[in-house]
Amino acid sequence: GQNIDQPTEMTATEGAIVQINCTYQTSGFNGLFWYQQHAGEAPTFLSYNVLDGLEEKGRFSSFLSRSKGYSYLLLKELQMKDSASYLCAVMDSNYQLIWGAGTKLIIKP
Amino acid sequence: DTAVSQTPKYLVTQMGNDKSIKCEQNLGHDTMYWYKQDSKKFLKIMFSYNNKELIINETVPNRFSPKSPDKAHLNLHINSLELGDSAVYFCASSQEWSSEGTDTQYFGPGTRLTVL
Repeated sequence: GQNIDQPTEMTATEGAIVQINCTYQTSGFNGLFWYQQHAGEAPTFLSYNVLDGLEEKGRFSSFLSRSKGYSYLLLKELQMKDSASYLCAVMDSNYQLIWGAGTKLIIKP
Repeated sequence: DTAVSQTPKYLVTQMGNDKSIKCEQNLGHDTMYWYKQDSKKFLKIMFSYNNKELIINETVPNRFSPKSPDKAHLNLHINSLELGDSAVYFCASSQEWSSEGTDTQYFGPGTRLTVL
């Protein structure tokens, strides 16, 4: 079957760095997405990786290793507004998005 | 202007009723989706639809049906509502290719459905 694994919850301190991991097993691979979802709001697009390596976008970076079925989202200089759920999603060979359950990130002052 | 909009934002109704949720996107996208997000926050695809193909998640009861009057709209009809249908329903849309990647999805604000 198809599976996306990510930690259920993580806690970090304001100003620090946190890494949220995602491992996947899917039938084919056409890219990996990270979305941010604040409580009570819709998911919003953060990043897309289809090739191995690190993609940097301001305070957020996303890394992909296709051979390991592994990605991480790195958040630097954490701010209180970064408290949200972070959803990992993989596009399979049929161009269907397979979603992880999300990682709830709690930022403490 | 909101890219993907849904109405209503909140919907409270009795078990057994029939209801609809509307979705509109003004992004010119070709594909639209409906998701259900349950209390555990897990996003589950229900339907994906473009002008060529409707893909239905086989686990979705046939009480749920998508209706697309045109490319910019995909409405969700639910018949004989049940308690377990209570959830947040998200509409989304995507283009086959954009600078942000293949089929990046843009979500509507969600509709919180409560069945009493």
